[in-house]
Amino acid sequence: AQSVTQPDIHITVSEGASLELRCNYSYGATPYLFWYVQSPGQGLQLLLKYFSGDTLVQGIKGFEAEFKRSQSSFNLRKPSVHWSDAAEYFCAVGDSGAGSYQLTFGKGTKLSVIP
Amino acid sequence: EAQVTQNPRYLITVTGKKLTVTCSQNMNHEYMSWYRQDPGLGLRQIYYSMNVEATDKGDVPEGYKVSRKEKRNFPLILESPSPNQTSLYFCASSTTGVAYEQYFGPGTRLTVT
Repeated sequence: AQSVTQPDIHITVSEGASLELRCNYSYGATPYLFWYVQSPGQGLQLLLKYFSGDTLVQGIKGFEAEFKRSQSSFNLRKPSVHWSDAAEYFCAVGDSGAGSYQLTFGKGTKLSVIP
Repeated sequence: EAQVTQNPRYLITVTGKKLTVTCSQNMNHEYMSWYRQDPGLGLRQIYYSMNVEATDKGDVPEGYKVSRKEKRNFPLILESPSPNQTSLYFCASSTTGVAYEQYFGPGTRLTVT
């Protein structure tokens, strides 16, 4: 069964500082990987996704993530954080098997931004 | 605008009073799913549907029912709600095939007293 671990429950960074949110997954084959963001009181918005090809993926709002098969990781990065990035971030692994579209989510990392 | 809508957005009810949360998508997606979100537990899948009249259990289906009579709609039914079903619920729909992507509704916050 697939699983996702987000080791950091809560991270606080200063505005303008760089950010890296960690995600480790467990999956038997090449996974589909996603990062979603949930702003307070909002639904989930897709930041970026990885299916194949280039292991460095660019997303919206200046975010990027790198797939590292050897480390079973898909860490999310941003070079300079803005106050509006304060939100909860979820990593998810998707089943790449034919006919299955289930996503398994990590428990989330809450990001606080200090002005 | 491509979107997933849910109604109601907020609901307070009492134990045992049947309720339905509606979900509708306008993207002609085959796949639809319900999740619940609880603090410290992330999102857990309740039920999903691969197409009309095709539904299946997710990870936490107990106490819930769903139906898929039309492609665009996927209501979540709680026939006898209990306080442990107090949660934030999300409906999602997805493209199918390679490189699928799930789109989420705005959420329904349910409180059962």
